[in-house]
Amino acid sequence: DAEITQSPRHKITETGRQVTLACHQTWNHNNMFWYRQDLGHGLRLIHYSYGVHDTNKGEVSDGYSVSRSNTEDLPLTLESAASSQTSVYFCASSQGVNNEQFFGPGTRLTVL
Amino acid sequence: QQQVKQSPQSLIVQKGGISIINCAYENTAFDYFPWYQQFPGKGPALLIAIRPDVSEKKEGRFTISFNKSAKQFSLHIMDSQPGDSATYFCAALPSLHDKIIFGKGTRLHILP
Repeated sequence: DAEITQSPRHKITETGRQVTLACHQTWNHNNMFWYRQDLGHGLRLIHYSYGVHDTNKGEVSDGYSVSRSNTEDLPLTLESAASSQTSVYFCASSQGVNNEQFFGPGTRLTVL
Repeated sequence: QQQVKQSPQSLIVQKGGISIINCAYENTAFDYFPWYQQFPGKGPALLIAIRPDVSEKKEGRFTISFNKSAKQFSLHIMDSQPGDSATYFCAALPSLHDKIIFGKGTRLHILP
């Protein structure tokens, strides 16, 4: 069955370190998204991509980067982790316009 | 301009009762309004969605009511069950776009 996976599921890191969160989908969807979820803020869009080599900034992109070298993967990199980036991160994918987004199980990141 | 305002933040309902969650938007370019359901430890999943050309959509115990002139829409859960306890997000998308704008979520608890 097609699916979307995220790894790791849990990560503890130190301030200043570079961290990469993986997202892999097997639906062959063109669109992929990264969100962070924090209490009181709901889901906020970090970066998104509409296809290979396409990346766009979302609402809260500062301190994060993505690259899309193939259809299946959209890794999220925290260049220099900060305590304010402690959060739960969700990856999602969709196909076409105004279609359902399928979410991964999430990665809980703690920055000490 | 891009916000979707959701209320209440949390809601407690007796089993068998009706749960009602309300959302409002400002951007008239929005033309697709999905609701996502999220259980603890899981990613959000599409529950039901509506387009502004209809005033109501029903799927089982879940109904979306849409008021285009007031720019408001709501989710009604009839005969609420303990298994409905989850966080619910309303959302909106502008036409020809796949970037979802989420509300901040409502944590629903159904008392057994």
